Amino acid sequence: GDSVTQMEGPVTLSEEAFLTINCTYTATGYPSLFWYVQYPGEGLQLLLKATKADDKGSNKGFEATYRKETTSFHLEKGSVQVSDSAVYFCALSSGGGADGLTFGKGTHLIIQP
Amino acid sequence: DGGITQSPKYLFRKEGQNVTLSCEQNLNHDAMYWYRQDPGQGLRLIYYSQIVNDFQKGDIAEGYSVSREKKESFPLTVTSAQKNPTAFYLCASSTYGTAEKLFFGSGTQLSVL
Repeated sequence: GDSVTQMEGPVTLSEEAFLTINCTYTATGYPSLFWYVQYPGEGLQLLLKATKADDKGSNKGFEATYRKETTSFHLEKGSVQVSDSAVYFCALSSGGGADGLTFGKGTHLIIQP
Repeated sequence: DGGITQSPKYLFRKEGQNVTLSCEQNLNHDAMYWYRQDPGQGLRLIYYSQIVNDFQKGDIAEGYSVSREKKESFPLTVTSAQKNPTAFYLCASSTYGTAEKLFFGSGTQLSVL
């Protein structure tokens, strides 16, 4: 079945540091890939997505590139802020996604001033 | 404003009791989903519904039940058969036939007394 593996947290960085959160996937066919963000006590919000190989999703300074050859969708940001502290989930949908998304376990990001 | 409303935000269950979590959306979405979130476990799909009066089991449906009598509403009942109900429950919705973009509610934290 489909699965998503992302790096274990928590990840602690200083403000203005470079961020990478690794995500790899296993899926049949050609899935769409997503990053969601969850702030404390809230639901998830879509951060960015990519629907085909070599697509780059971007939003709020975050980027991720769909790499079919390495089955990866790593999240990056050049200069993080304290407000970026949250839990980040990598996810995929395959077969049209009618039965929902498959999520990774989440990576807790802590940014220190 | 359009969105998904979950209530209550906190819920406590006594031994042997059934409890119902509410989920209402005014986004005119056909598909709705229930996920369970445990620390370090990511999100796991409980039930989903693509149209009114129809729903399917997800990966961890045992001990839960749902109904979909109205397009806007998808309540989740946690029955006494669910022996480990303590978790954060998230409801989501999307347009029909795809989970390309899920909209999430703010969640309900269920605890056992």
